[in-house]
Amino acid sequence: KAGVTQTPRYLIKTRGQQVTLSCSPISGHRSVSWYQQTPGQGLQFLFEYFSETQRNKGNFPGRFSGRQFSNSRSEMNVSTLELGDSALYLCASSWGSGSNPNTEAFFGQGTRLTVV
Amino acid sequence: DQQVKQNSPSLSVQEGRISILNCDYTNSMFDYFLWYKKYPAEGPTFLISISSIKDKNEDGRFTVFLNKSAKHLSLHIVPSQPGDSAVYFCAASAKDMRFGAGTRLTVKP
Repeated sequence: KAGVTQTPRYLIKTRGQQVTLSCSPISGHRSVSWYQQTPGQGLQFLFEYFSETQRNKGNFPGRFSGRQFSNSRSEMNVSTLELGDSALYLCASSWGSGSNPNTEAFFGQGTRLTVV
Repeated sequence: DQQVKQNSPSLSVQEGRISILNCDYTNSMFDYFLWYKKYPAEGPTFLISISSIKDKNEDGRFTVFLNKSAKHLSLHIVPSQPGDSAVYFCAASAKDMRFGAGTRLTVKP
């Protein structure tokens, strides 16, 4: 069974540009969450999608947005990039539903975004 | 707002000894707790979990302890092996999953 796939693996963008990251979850998983990892900050929760609806959102500015498609694939968009947005962006998929959210999440390898 | 805290950024132990990684949380609504292990250039991988109705869960060399009154979670690895060297993240779940900052474990041969 294929794991979580994130594309691209590496990305270099200039300040002010926008970027779109993609995540394909494990087949059958309907929940997709996005996290930002920076040194010393651990994994900061961005948002979670379930069945094409944003279920939860972390404390990030509106420049960070996402969506989920009917096949559960998800995209994350960051507009007006800032230097501080440089980080590893991780996507995780899980089976968890609204009635049973507590299942382990499976992570992709991440997209390393560098803003210059 | 760091609801899950791992106050030790690093830990070094000798092979064969016990590794104890600690985690504290502030949100009493968390009812499911997990530990993930992360190697460089890879995404975190699930290690072990515990529900809030339990105080201990064991899986081979890994045991997770939960102290709800203290809002404290710990992961014990015994005996520690060099292959256990990685960054360990504690996570807690209510309506979404929150992670700590991670502890880098180094197991020396």
